[in-house]
Amino acid sequence: DTGVSQNPRHKITKRGQNVTFRCDPISEHNRLYWYRQTLGQGPEFLTYFQNEAQLEKSRLLSDRFSAERPKGSFSTLEIQRTEQGDSAMYLCASSSGLAPSYEQYFGPGTRLTVT
Amino acid sequence: DQQVKQNSPSLSVQEGRISILNCDYTNSMFDYFLWYKKYPAEGPTFLISISSIKDKNEDGRFTVFLNKSAKHLSLHIVPSQPGDSAVYFCAASIQGGSEKLVFGKGMKLTVNP
Repeated sequence: DTGVSQNPRHKITKRGQNVTFRCDPISEHNRLYWYRQTLGQGPEFLTYFQNEAQLEKSRLLSDRFSAERPKGSFSTLEIQRTEQGDSAMYLCASSSGLAPSYEQYFGPGTRLTVT
Repeated sequence: DQQVKQNSPSLSVQEGRISILNCDYTNSMFDYFLWYKKYPAEGPTFLISISSIKDKNEDGRFTVFLNKSAKHLSLHIVPSQPGDSAVYFCAASIQGGSEKLVFGKGMKLTVNP
């Protein structure tokens, strides 16, 4: 069990550029989540996949954000035309969604800095 | 509106003593609660969880208590160890849908040797 992995771990980009992050969940988990964490705050939900279907998106996810999970395996989160306010830690989590345990397991995160 | 609140930003305890971390929530629909520990530059690590049908769950040195009427939960760590020093997040979810987690702002625990 290799856990949840995320790449890259750090990304520095200039305002207006596009960035893409990747998440590889725990292999047997069919649920995948993206969260964003800013300084002094807890993680905030962005979007949720069950297998390849994106079933829920937060209002935080503006039109510049898009997420995919082709074939229900890894997921990508793309931010277009980045803004300084997008600077944050982007966290991916996965879960089996099976009772009685519903815990989500997090990856190490991708820290985005927009200059 | 903060649905999950951790009102104390930090706690300092001596090694070997009990650490008590508190969390309050406002949404009565929450029925599953979790505690995560986070070290700098790492993702949150799951510690322990509790369903709303229980009022206590124990795992080794960690015990979570749930008081539904008060919409309050607490995490007890006994005995506290220096390696427990981290930021602790309380989270809540509603089962049956996406089960997305709603987090508090976190509390920094420092365990002094």
